[in-house]
Amino acid sequence: DTEVTQTPKHLVMGMTNKKSLKCEQHMGHRAMYWYKQKAKKPPELMFVYSYEKLSINESVPSRFSPECPNSSLLNLHLHALQPEDSALYLCASSQEGLGLPYGYTFGSGTRLTVV
Amino acid sequence: GESVGLHLPTLSVQEGDNSIINCAYSNSASDYFIWYKQESGKGPQFIIDIRSNMDKRQGQRVTVLLNKTVKHLSLQIAATQPGDSAVYFCAEIPPYGQNFVFGPGTRLSVLP
Repeated sequence: DTEVTQTPKHLVMGMTNKKSLKCEQHMGHRAMYWYKQKAKKPPELMFVYSYEKLSINESVPSRFSPECPNSSLLNLHLHALQPEDSALYLCASSQEGLGLPYGYTFGSGTRLTVV
Repeated sequence: GESVGLHLPTLSVQEGDNSIINCAYSNSASDYFIWYKQESGKGPQFIIDIRSNMDKRQGQRVTVLLNKTVKHLSLQIAATQPGDSAVYFCAEIPPYGQNFVFGPGTRLSVLP
């Protein structure tokens, strides 16, 4: 299995809702990432988990809450989002935190719309 | 030809021609670089990588060139096909950094 699987593929939520994005990989990778991508922009790093511990939080608002239940799973809990949070949310994984030698494997993303 | 849109540069090429996508990176001490391809509705996909101790690396139909003097990276695609239409991002690992920094991206449009 050489894939990163993200669910759901699409999500529409209201500003008062609570939802979660899920990410799964079975490649034995020990680092997992959440990225946010706006239209016509490159992905922007949000969080990094290394060996199931949060190692980087790129000053992300607390309405985004990551969770790594085990080495294969990564969740992103969403609460009280704003319309400007609408974006493609990408999960990625790599063998180690440095992303060597083959960089990251990305999932196809969750297209989130906040109404 | 190449044009700069509102946020994303676009390169249009005829099917069968060679494509060259350019990227200026930010840190002269970065030691690892990757090109990613992102098709509509999908996540970025690894194409080819290069380390700073090399100036050229070839894959299947793709070549990456690294010019450290001017901090420039390029991706050459031979005999461009419709399936090559996508947004292409370069990414670098800065020194002492742990994670990739993505460039702004270039949209490649292949004309029939």
